[in-house]
Amino acid sequence: KQEVTQIPAALSVPEGENLVLNCSFTDSAIYNLQWFRQDPGKGLTSLLLIQSSQREQTSGRLNASLDKSSGRSTLYIAASQPGDSATYLCAVYNQGGKLIFGQGTELSVKP
Amino acid sequence: GAVVSQHPSWVICKSGTSVKIECRSLDFQATTMFWYRQFPKQSLMLMATSNEGSKATYEQGVEKDKFLINHASLTLSTLTVTSAHPEDSSFYICSALDRPPYGYTFGSGTRLTVV
Repeated sequence: KQEVTQIPAALSVPEGENLVLNCSFTDSAIYNLQWFRQDPGKGLTSLLLIQSSQREQTSGRLNASLDKSSGRSTLYIAASQPGDSATYLCAVYNQGGKLIFGQGTELSVKP
Repeated sequence: GAVVSQHPSWVICKSGTSVKIECRSLDFQATTMFWYRQFPKQSLMLMATSNEGSKATYEQGVEKDKFLINHASLTLSTLTVTSAHPEDSSFYICSALDRPPYGYTFGSGTRLTVV
């Protein structure tokens, strides 16, 4: 049974810092891995999708890496801003399958 | 990019009434949509998988007669909470799977409060 773990559960940093969020999964036979952001009381916004054949994806200040063999993914946020404050969710899925979510990392960026 | 529209964004209803939530894929066709429930400070819990033209597949512990799902077209799935009770109050979110680079796209969620 696939399990996804995110560390840390919560993180508070001053504005401008670079930071790394971690995600690990127990079954390396995944199709894709996706990082999401959720603001309080809102739905999920997709940040980056990494297909199983890829090792990383970049979008603006965000960079996500994937190491299937070790069951790990990281989300790197450069030059953090208060507007980055949100809960970040990592999820994996098989082809046509269900998303398996981690518990999320609650990020707070202080001005 | 892929867009999923969910309505209403919030609803308050009386105990015993039914509430319908709509989920639409706006710029792509979704043969499969997913319905989640989220409690405060918790991650999403998958309730059911909605399949266009066939019956939904419910997760263990989810009452299919309480949470009716209809997926009548390739762009619309609905979740009806029947005979709602206060314990059904929650945040409900739908999603659909589009091709890369979009992956799973989520609606904005519906806050249901049963009084």
